[in-house]
Amino acid sequence: KNQVEQSPQSLIILEGKNCTLQCNYTVSPFSNLRWYKQDTGRGPVSLTIMTFSENTKSNGRYTATLDADTKQSSLHITASQLSDSASYICVVSERQAGTALIFGKGTTLSVSS
Amino acid sequence: DGGITQSPKYLFRKEGQNVTLSCEQNLNHDAMYWYRQDPGQGLRLIYYSQIVNDFQKGDIAEGYSVSREKKESFPLTVTSAQKNPTAFYLCASSMQGTNTEAFFGQGTRLTVV
Repeated sequence: KNQVEQSPQSLIILEGKNCTLQCNYTVSPFSNLRWYKQDTGRGPVSLTIMTFSENTKSNGRYTATLDADTKQSSLHITASQLSDSASYICVVSERQAGTALIFGKGTTLSVSS
Repeated sequence: DGGITQSPKYLFRKEGQNVTLSCEQNLNHDAMYWYRQDPGQGLRLIYYSQIVNDFQKGDIAEGYSVSREKKESFPLTVTSAQKNPTAFYLCASSMQGTNTEAFFGQGTRLTVV
């Protein structure tokens, strides 16, 4: 069964600190992996999208990594800000079914001052 | 401004009534999707459409209906047959292809009392 597992479920860090969120998946055949940021009560906003051949991709203070062999991805947030408080969702797409986006349950990040 | 718009943001309905959620996009995207989000769960696909006048059931289509009469619009009707309709509903759109970006609306929170 195609699954996307994220950890931790929730995380609290101090402003200015770094953190890393994890995503493990069993989706096959793999097409791409996306990280979204979702503020409370809003729609998800894309941070990165990586295909099979990409190992890392950055978007400002957000850096995503992908190991397609071990089927693991991470999202690293550098120098966290209060506005980083949100849910971060890992989404994996199947190669042969373009509409098949499999969503993780998300990691809720709280950044405190 | 290009984007995807959902309305209304909040919706209250009495049990047994049908209700229609609006989703409009001016991104010239062929594909549109409806997802349901419940607390502590990943997004689940309700319906999707890859072309005008055609749509397919997702994982949890029972109790829902859609139409795609125009490329820009993909309304979702929550019928009285849906046993647990209270949820956060998200609409998304994308170009065709497996590695294309999916853009989400801001969501509609439906509460059935």
